[in-house]
Amino acid sequence: DAGVIQSPRHEVTEMGQEVTLRCKPISGHNSLFWYRQTMMRGLELLIYFNNNVPIDDSGMPEDRFSAKMPNASFSTLKIQPSEPRDSAVYFCASRPRGGSEKLFFGSGTQLSVL
Amino acid sequence: AQTVTQSQPEMSVQEAETVTLSCTYDTSESDYYLFWYKQPPSRQMILVIRQEAYKQQNATENRFSVNFQKAAKSFSLKISDSQLGDAAMYFCAYTITGANNLFFGTGTRLTVIP
Repeated sequence: DAGVIQSPRHEVTEMGQEVTLRCKPISGHNSLFWYRQTMMRGLELLIYFNNNVPIDDSGMPEDRFSAKMPNASFSTLKIQPSEPRDSAVYFCASRPRGGSEKLFFGSGTQLSVL
Repeated sequence: AQTVTQSQPEMSVQEAETVTLSCTYDTSESDYYLFWYKQPPSRQMILVIRQEAYKQQNATENRFSVNFQKAAKSFSLKISDSQLGDAAMYFCAYTITGANNLFFGTGTRLTVIP
């Protein structure tokens, strides 16, 4: 299995631009998570999907952030418009059904907003 | 509120020696899981070891073992025979059984000295 696949690995953009981060979870996993990692705040959960349905988006910082999961094999996290304070590493993780709460992480997307 | 505390921002160990990383957590729940994740410079979050709270026996994975003290809410990681490849950030994490979120500590940066 290829694991959780995220793209791009790095993204550099200018303030005000739209940014879309992509994630392909492990096949057969039914839960998907988006996390953000910064030096100041560590790892924070942004949103969680179960069976493609958003369950908890209380961690999404503001309306500029949105996430979708149109099918079991794909999810996006969009920031529009982006701001310098959004610079961080964004991780996607998936979890199998009945998976003892173990999360499998992707390699993350390093986002830099100039 | 659930919190995870890692009081050692940085640790170092001589190659082949043993090192222990500390973690404490705060919860009123009785059924939960604890994890140690490793994040090398590649950024990948790698699960090192997992402990179910209902199990009294400490988990072990090759050179990695934990000292789980449920009453004290302590969950330390011991790395034996340290290797250069063990150098990484180590995150302690906690989740309630069946819950969405994985709460992370702030991490401990481990340096392995040749």
